[in-house]
Amino acid sequence: GEEVAQTPKHLVRGEGQKAKLYCAPIKGHSYVFWYQQVLKNEFKFLISFQNENVFDETGMPKERFSAKCLPNSPCSLEIQATKLEDSAVYFCASSRQQNTEAFFGQGTRLTVV
Amino acid sequence: GNSVTQMEGPVTLSEEAFLTINCTYTATGYPSLFWYVQYPGEGLQLLLKATKADDKGSNKGFEATYRKETTSFHLEKGSVQVSDSAVYFCALRNPTGNQFYFGTGTSLTVIP
Repeated sequence: GEEVAQTPKHLVRGEGQKAKLYCAPIKGHSYVFWYQQVLKNEFKFLISFQNENVFDETGMPKERFSAKCLPNSPCSLEIQATKLEDSAVYFCASSRQQNTEAFFGQGTRLTVV
Repeated sequence: GNSVTQMEGPVTLSEEAFLTINCTYTATGYPSLFWYVQYPGEGLQLLLKATKADDKGSNKGFEATYRKETTSFHLEKGSVQVSDSAVYFCALRNPTGNQFYFGTGTSLTVIP
Protein backbone atom coordinates (compact mmCIF):
# COMPACT_ATOMS: atom_id res chain seq x y z
CA GLY A 1 0.00 0.00 0.00
CA GLU A 2 0.89 3.65 -0.15
CA GLU A 3 0.73 4.28 3.55
CA VAL A 4 1.99 2.63 6.69
CA ALA A 5 -0.94 0.79 8.24
CA GLN A 6 -0.96 0.15 11.98
CA THR A 7 -3.49 -1.97 13.84
CA PRO A 8 -5.22 -1.76 16.17
CA LYS A 9 -5.73 1.97 16.71
CA HIS A 10 -6.41 1.46 20.40
CA LEU A 11 -5.55 -1.40 22.74
CA VAL A 12 -6.40 -1.76 26.41
CA ARG A 13 -4.67 -4.41 28.50
CA GLY A 14 -4.68 -5.29 32.16
CA GLU A 15 -1.32 -5.23 33.86
CA GLY A 16 0.48 -8.50 33.19
CA GLN A 17 -1.40 -9.25 29.98
CA LYS A 18 0.20 -9.57 26.56
CA ALA A 19 -0.11 -6.88 23.88
CA LYS A 20 0.56 -7.36 20.18
CA LEU A 21 0.74 -4.51 17.70
CA TYR A 22 0.92 -4.79 13.92
CA CYS A 23 2.43 -2.68 11.16
CA ALA A 24 2.23 -3.06 7.40
CA PRO A 25 5.01 -0.97 5.83
CA ILE A 26 4.71 0.71 2.46
CA LYS A 27 5.29 -1.74 -0.38
CA GLY A 28 8.87 -1.61 -1.61
CA HIS A 29 10.24 -0.13 1.60
CA SER A 30 13.13 -2.10 3.03
CA TYR A 31 13.41 -0.46 6.44
CA VAL A 32 10.95 -0.54 9.33
CA PHE A 33 11.20 1.37 12.61
CA TRP A 34 9.28 1.20 15.87
CA TYR A 35 9.06 4.18 18.22
CA GLN A 36 7.30 4.73 21.53
CA GLN A 37 5.85 8.19 22.17
CA VAL A 38 5.47 9.00 25.83
CA LEU A 39 4.89 12.23 27.73
CA LYS A 40 3.14 13.74 24.75
CA ASN A 41 6.25 14.59 22.70
CA GLU A 42 9.24 12.39 23.38
CA PHE A 43 9.98 9.70 20.75
CA LYS A 44 11.88 6.72 22.11
CA PHE A 45 13.50 4.44 19.54
CA LEU A 46 12.79 0.74 20.06
CA ILE A 47 13.98 -1.29 17.09
CA SER A 48 14.61 -1.18 13.34
CA PHE A 49 14.62 -3.81 10.61
CA GLN A 50 16.24 -4.09 7.22
CA ASN A 51 13.85 -6.41 5.42
CA GLU A 52 13.33 -9.28 7.87
CA ASN A 53 16.63 -8.77 9.68
CA VAL A 54 17.00 -6.84 12.90
CA PHE A 55 19.02 -3.72 12.07
CA ASP A 56 19.26 -2.00 15.42
CA GLU A 57 17.63 -3.21 18.64
CA THR A 58 19.46 -0.97 21.09
CA GLY A 59 16.21 0.60 22.30
CA MET A 60 14.33 -2.58 23.11
CA PRO A 61 13.64 -3.58 26.72
CA LYS A 62 14.54 -7.15 25.86
CA GLU A 63 13.06 -8.91 28.85
CA ARG A 64 9.47 -8.15 27.79
CA PHE A 65 9.53 -6.67 24.28
CA SER A 66 10.03 -8.57 21.05
CA ALA A 67 9.48 -7.72 17.39
CA LYS A 68 9.48 -9.45 14.02
CA CYS A 69 9.25 -8.58 10.35
CA LEU A 70 8.63 -11.76 8.36
CA PRO A 71 8.23 -11.94 4.58
CA ASN A 72 4.64 -11.51 3.32
CA SER A 73 3.33 -10.69 6.81
CA PRO A 74 2.80 -7.46 8.75
CA CYS A 75 5.59 -6.60 11.15
CA SER A 76 4.70 -7.04 14.81
CA LEU A 77 5.71 -5.69 18.19
CA GLU A 78 4.81 -7.82 21.19
CA ILE A 79 4.92 -6.89 24.85
CA GLN A 80 4.73 -9.78 27.30
CA ALA A 81 3.43 -9.02 30.79
CA THR A 82 2.58 -5.37 30.21
CA LYS A 83 3.28 -2.79 32.90
CA LEU A 84 1.59 0.52 33.60
CA GLU A 85 4.61 2.39 32.24
CA ASP A 86 4.15 0.73 28.83
CA SER A 87 1.10 2.96 28.28
CA ALA A 88 2.06 5.07 25.27
CA VAL A 89 1.45 5.53 21.57
CA TYR A 90 3.55 3.16 19.48
CA PHE A 91 4.47 4.35 16.02
CA CYS A 92 5.76 2.32 13.14
CA ALA A 93 7.56 3.89 10.17
CA SER A 94 9.08 2.63 6.95
CA SER A 95 11.63 3.98 4.49
CA ARG A 96 12.74 2.93 1.06
CA GLN A 97 16.49 3.36 1.44
CA GLN A 98 19.17 3.83 4.03
CA ASN A 99 19.32 7.64 3.90
CA THR A 100 15.78 8.60 2.96
CA GLU A 101 12.86 9.89 4.97
CA ALA A 102 10.58 7.60 6.92
CA PHE A 103 6.81 7.56 6.58
CA PHE A 104 4.90 7.08 9.79
CA GLY A 105 1.70 5.24 10.57
CA GLN A 106 -1.11 6.71 12.67
CA GLY A 107 0.04 4.86 15.76
CA THR A 108 -1.43 2.39 18.23
CA ARG A 109 -2.46 3.81 21.58
CA LEU A 110 -1.76 1.20 24.27
CA THR A 111 -3.36 1.74 27.66
CA VAL A 112 -2.35 -0.59 30.48
CA VAL A 113 -4.76 -0.55 33.40
CA GLY B 1 26.97 10.17 19.43
CA ASN B 2 23.89 11.47 17.63
CA SER B 3 21.39 13.92 19.09
CA VAL B 4 19.03 16.73 18.16
CA THR B 5 18.29 19.82 20.23
CA GLN B 6 15.40 22.07 19.37
CA MET B 7 13.99 25.13 21.02
CA GLU B 8 11.58 24.67 23.85
CA GLY B 9 7.98 25.62 23.33
CA PRO B 10 5.26 26.34 23.42
CA VAL B 11 5.34 29.06 20.81
CA THR B 12 2.31 31.27 20.29
CA LEU B 13 2.11 33.58 17.28
CA SER B 14 -0.47 35.75 15.62
CA GLU B 15 -1.57 34.88 12.11
CA GLU B 16 0.83 36.18 9.43
CA ALA B 17 3.74 36.44 11.89
CA PHE B 18 7.22 35.13 11.04
CA LEU B 19 8.18 31.77 12.48
CA THR B 20 11.59 30.41 13.43
CA ILE B 21 12.11 27.16 15.30
CA ASN B 22 15.76 26.51 16.06
CA CYS B 23 17.30 23.08 15.67
CA THR B 24 20.91 22.02 16.16
CA TYR B 25 22.37 18.56 15.93
CA THR B 26 25.33 16.42 16.88
CA ALA B 27 26.19 13.57 14.55
CA THR B 28 28.95 11.26 13.44
CA GLY B 29 29.47 11.58 9.72
CA TYR B 30 27.00 13.35 7.47
CA PRO B 31 23.40 12.74 8.48
CA SER B 32 20.20 13.48 6.57
CA LEU B 33 18.02 16.09 8.29
CA PHE B 34 14.24 16.34 8.49
CA TRP B 35 11.39 18.36 9.88
CA TYR B 36 8.23 16.46 10.75
CA VAL B 37 4.88 17.85 11.90
CA GLN B 38 2.36 16.16 14.17
CA TYR B 39 -1.27 17.24 14.34
CA PRO B 40 -3.33 16.19 17.38
CA GLY B 41 -4.10 12.48 17.43
CA GLU B 42 -2.07 11.75 14.32
CA GLY B 43 1.29 10.34 13.31
CA LEU B 44 4.26 12.29 12.05
CA GLN B 45 4.08 13.82 8.59
CA LEU B 46 7.23 14.72 6.73
CA LEU B 47 7.39 18.48 6.24
CA LEU B 48 10.76 18.85 4.51
CA LYS B 49 14.19 17.31 4.25
CA ALA B 50 17.82 17.94 3.30
CA THR B 51 20.41 15.28 2.67
CA LYS B 52 23.64 17.24 2.35
CA ALA B 53 25.29 20.45 3.44
CA ASP B 54 23.81 23.67 2.02
CA ASP B 55 20.70 21.88 0.75
CA LYS B 56 17.52 23.83 1.37
CA GLY B 57 14.35 21.88 2.01
CA SER B 58 11.03 23.62 1.40
CA ASN B 59 7.35 22.77 1.47
CA LYS B 60 4.07 24.65 2.07
CA GLY B 61 5.95 27.91 2.71
CA PHE B 62 8.30 26.33 5.26
CA GLU B 63 12.06 26.29 4.66
CA ALA B 64 15.17 24.97 6.36
CA THR B 65 18.80 24.98 5.26
CA TYR B 66 21.33 22.29 6.21
CA ARG B 67 24.22 24.24 7.75
CA LYS B 68 27.20 22.01 8.42
CA GLU B 69 29.38 24.79 9.83
CA THR B 70 26.87 25.60 12.58
CA THR B 71 25.33 22.09 12.73
CA SER B 72 21.90 23.64 12.40
CA PHE B 73 18.66 23.11 10.49
CA HIS B 74 16.36 25.92 11.62
CA LEU B 75 12.76 25.91 10.41
CA GLU B 76 11.27 29.16 9.07
CA LYS B 77 8.04 30.39 7.59
CA GLY B 78 7.35 33.94 6.52
CA SER B 79 3.67 34.12 7.36
CA VAL B 80 2.01 31.50 9.57
CA GLN B 81 -1.63 30.49 9.41
CA VAL B 82 -3.98 29.10 12.04
CA SER B 83 -3.80 25.74 10.25
CA ASP B 84 -0.04 25.57 11.00
CA SER B 85 -0.81 24.98 14.68
CA ALA B 86 0.84 21.64 15.49
CA VAL B 87 3.94 20.13 17.09
CA TYR B 88 7.11 20.30 15.00
CA PHE B 89 9.96 17.81 15.32
CA CYS B 90 13.48 18.14 14.00
CA ALA B 91 15.14 14.81 13.24
CA LEU B 92 18.29 13.32 11.82
CA ARG B 93 19.06 9.96 10.28
CA ASN B 94 22.65 8.84 10.68
CA PRO B 95 24.59 7.62 7.63
CA THR B 96 24.29 3.99 8.69
CA GLY B 97 20.53 4.48 8.57
CA ASN B 98 19.73 2.35 11.59
CA GLN B 99 17.57 4.92 13.39
CA PHE B 100 16.16 8.42 13.44
CA TYR B 101 16.97 10.78 16.29
CA PHE B 102 14.26 13.25 17.24
CA GLY B 103 14.24 16.51 19.09
CA THR B 104 11.72 16.97 21.88
CA GLY B 105 9.23 18.80 19.67
CA THR B 106 8.06 22.40 19.63
CA SER B 107 4.37 23.12 20.02
CA LEU B 108 3.14 25.99 17.85
CA THR B 109 -0.20 27.72 18.30
CA VAL B 110 -1.25 30.37 15.79
CA ILE B 111 -4.04 32.68 16.89
CA PRO B 112 -6.27 34.63 14.48
